[in-house]
Amino acid sequence: DQQVKQNSPSLSVQEGRISILNCDYTNSMFDYFLWYKKYPAEGPTFLISISSIKDKNEDGRFTVFLNKSAKHLSLHIVPSQPGDSAVYFCAARLGTSGSRLTFGEGTQLTVNP
Amino acid sequence: NAGVTQTPKFQVLKTGQSMTLQCAQDMNHEYMSWYRQDPGMGLRLIHYSVGAGITDQGEVPNGYNVSRSTTEDFPLRLLSAAPSQTSVYFCASTTGTGPARGQFFGPGTRLTVL
Repeated sequence: DQQVKQNSPSLSVQEGRISILNCDYTNSMFDYFLWYKKYPAEGPTFLISISSIKDKNEDGRFTVFLNKSAKHLSLHIVPSQPGDSAVYFCAARLGTSGSRLTFGEGTQLTVNP
Repeated sequence: NAGVTQTPKFQVLKTGQSMTLQCAQDMNHEYMSWYRQDPGMGLRLIHYSVGAGITDQGEVPNGYNVSRSTTEDFPLRLLSAAPSQTSVYFCASTTGTGPARGQFFGPGTRLTVL
């Protein structure tokens, strides 16, 4: 049972435009959502998070939106840069599970110069 | 700070062999975990620990053992390697006091079982 899903394996955008990465979840008990970025041959690095009691969190070029009624979150990157090309993972935490995270499959973002 | 370190970076095993993947962190984090990453499946939790002497199973624990004798170290043991365990393995740690900053991941160990 895949509780966190990223339905788009890949996304390609032009430099300077907006990148929108999507994530859907099924468990309404998730209390925190996180985005990680991963370059080849490296471990994932934390990018941005959002609590389930909020609907938006912004950090520089990165904004995460949460729609609880739709069980959907998205990561917006504006403007996109070639260095943003990486795999992006969505992750969610169950409120009762300490720091256990459930990850989506990942989306490969390619930003073309 | 070195952060989270993992050794080895690469390993090739034959079916039935055993080995230990090492993980260490120098941030005094209570919470440590092991994930495996397979194509199209994201990261799946194998085992985790909330402190020295305490471990628990994640989503895919079969075929793996862990122990946590110190805060710093969290080794993952493959008891009898199988081709299905071919994967990239990541160790992660966090303070456990809140998920806002997420977990810190090591660089990974790429394991191939023949």
